[in-house]
Amino acid sequence: QSALTQAASVSGSPGQSITISCTGTSSDVGGYNYVSWYQQHPGKAPKLILYDVSRRPSGVSNRFSGSKSGNTASLTISGLQAEDEAHYYCSSYTDISTAVFGGGTKLTVL
Amino acid sequence: EVQLVESGGVVVQPGGSLRLSCAASGFTFDDYTMHWVRQAPGKGLEWVSLITWESGTSYYADSVKGRFTISRDNSKNSLFLHMSRLRSEDTAIYYCTKDTAAIVVTRGGFDSWGQGTLVTVSS
Repeated sequence: QSALTQAASVSGSPGQSITISCTGTSSDVGGYNYVSWYQQHPGKAPKLILYDVSRRPSGVSNRFSGSKSGNTASLTISGLQAEDEAHYYCSSYTDISTAVFGGGTKLTVL
Repeated sequence: EVQLVESGGVVVQPGGSLRLSCAASGFTFDDYTMHWVRQAPGKGLEWVSLITWESGTSYYADSVKGRFTISRDNSKNSLFLHMSRLRSEDTAIYYCTKDTAAIVVTRGGFDSWGQGTLVTVSS
């Protein structure tokens, strides 16, 4: 199973919105509404911020939103804050009942 | 509060074996598929293996198939990963994770993570 494709880096200024994309195939992202997103700060374990494409776990800010079109899922962060600076990873269910991650995107808040 | 605590990570020689453990609490352990996910130093996340809630089914990433075995003991709320024929490329932090959905094989999402345990394969 090949990793999902994410841009290596993205940046934005405080208060702006940014979008991170995650591209797979019809065997994973495109075939199911089971895409999740994680935030990872340096030296910390990843934290789930979205699941089932657009659902937020309890306690996660509504500045994080998700969507999907075809084989590409997207994470949008609105009202960028300094603490949003982190690595972001997507994951997806696959048609062989496993999971696959994206390569990760480093978000820099300018 | 869900807690996942991994242990067992050490320095091991190439070709060696190791067993990782994960102690779970704060949720109904035997309702959930559990996973191991790893992260090599400075690299991204890689899904390694899953085991369903009743231990009936397990899956592995191609990179570890035939060398790693996942198991669980629901009576002790514990998850394990037995690793053999270790290679340098297995060097990573290994995370124990809980699936987002109950009583399904997986939805490819992980809603709780341990702090991780570091496995270093080096001579």
